[in-house]
Amino acid sequence: EPEVTQTPSHQVTQMGQEVILRCVPISNHLYFYWYRQILGQKVEFLVSFYNNEISEKSEIFDDQFSVERPDGSNFTLKIRSTKLEDSAMYFCASSDGREVTDTQYFGPGTRLTVL
Amino acid sequence: AQSVAQPEDQVNVAEGNPLTVKCTYSVSGNPYLFWYVQYPNRGLQFLLKYITGDNLVKGSYGFEAEFNKSQTSFHLKKPSALVSDSALYFCAVRDRRAGNNRKLIWGLGTSLAVNP
Repeated sequence: EPEVTQTPSHQVTQMGQEVILRCVPISNHLYFYWYRQILGQKVEFLVSFYNNEISEKSEIFDDQFSVERPDGSNFTLKIRSTKLEDSAMYFCASSDGREVTDTQYFGPGTRLTVL
Repeated sequence: AQSVAQPEDQVNVAEGNPLTVKCTYSVSGNPYLFWYVQYPNRGLQFLLKYITGDNLVKGSYGFEAEFNKSQTSFHLKKPSALVSDSALYFCAVRDRRAGNNRKLIWGLGTSLAVNP
């Protein structure tokens, strides 16, 4: 069964450093998403991406964040200058986009620790 | 503001007993409603969703959920719990009026422990 994969599973970085989180969505899916979950808090939507552009983003997704689909398979989230409060589990998801009611399928997450 | 509440941090049931994990929401209109499950070191795994029609939705692994519009609830149920059902369960909603915007709004999660 196809699944979303994410790398790395755990990323440790120093405050102020750039990080890139990588995701491989399900191959025939058209919508891609990033969510994050700070420890003890709710899962929060960051951004959705369709047709090579951002279709929706949250207030969290400020200029420090960017997303890219550099090739036909990868979908990346870049944080330019990490802050302590960026420490969280980051989940990538994808959906097929055939219907507005499509289901989002999630990867296992990348745990980002900012020191 | 749109929100999802899962009033129980943890639910404990004995194996073979029915289980219920509660979810209520505060979203205008009739949202799309979802349940996901997370096993240790795994991603968020889709269980079921309510879009329209029959208020009782059946999903994976014998789970079902009942949409109650008047109570704005979408409780997850299973007639007979298994030890392997022990996991973290998340309720999520999506605003039907948002068109092609597909942001999911999440509850805090409920930890289900099924005791042998």
